[in-house]
Amino acid sequence: DAMVIQNPRYQVTQFGKPVTLSCSQTLNHNVMYWYQQKSSQAPKLLFHYYDKDFNNEADTPDNFQSRRPNTSFCFLDIRSPGLGDAAMYLCATSRDQGLHTEAFFGQGTRLTVV
Amino acid sequence: AQSVTQPDIHITVSEGASLELRCNYSYGATPYLFWYVQSPGQGLQLLLKYFSGDTLVQGIKGFEAEFKRSQSSFNLRKPSVHWSDAAEYFCAVGAPAAGNKLTFGGGTRVLVKP
Repeated sequence: DAMVIQNPRYQVTQFGKPVTLSCSQTLNHNVMYWYQQKSSQAPKLLFHYYDKDFNNEADTPDNFQSRRPNTSFCFLDIRSPGLGDAAMYLCATSRDQGLHTEAFFGQGTRLTVV
Repeated sequence: AQSVTQPDIHITVSEGASLELRCNYSYGATPYLFWYVQSPGQGLQLLLKYFSGDTLVQGIKGFEAEFKRSQSSFNLRKPSVHWSDAAEYFCAVGAPAAGNKLTFGGGTRVLVKP
């Protein structure tokens, strides 16, 4: 059974048109992460939530926002997508921030900007 | 800040031959170390993890990795490669003092020859 579910798997959006990517989890984990992975590159952390506490990475552009309305769901909002935002977006969860916890990844959403 | 280096961008190996993927990390304390595998267009699947204790860890799909503190390395090995092992492999270091955020290496793409 899928534990971290990302929808949609593929998203095409127009340049400058706001887009939202969705992630849900059945693990009841406290921490949810969003990573951006550009073609042939390593995943790069954008931000994460520990429960309701939002933690933004210093180099994450303002164009990227996130919402976590409850434990199970987390959204990635791109306010004005540019061509450079085309990437795979990976959601991950972790039981806690503390000791001996691992991250579980979803299948990703591939975003194309036209 | 932590960092991960995977010196080999591509590795080609014959089916049935052994495989070793190199990973070197930089982290100020005892790291959490992970190896993930990613098939094209898919999310990340955890192969194995090291938190503490025995420095030789076993993972899924016949993989193992050895943590060597003196060399700051966490190399991944498999004695006999199958065609289905063709994928991209990412080594990652987790920072338990910083939300368990993962920092990934650049990845190694493994090609398997028949």
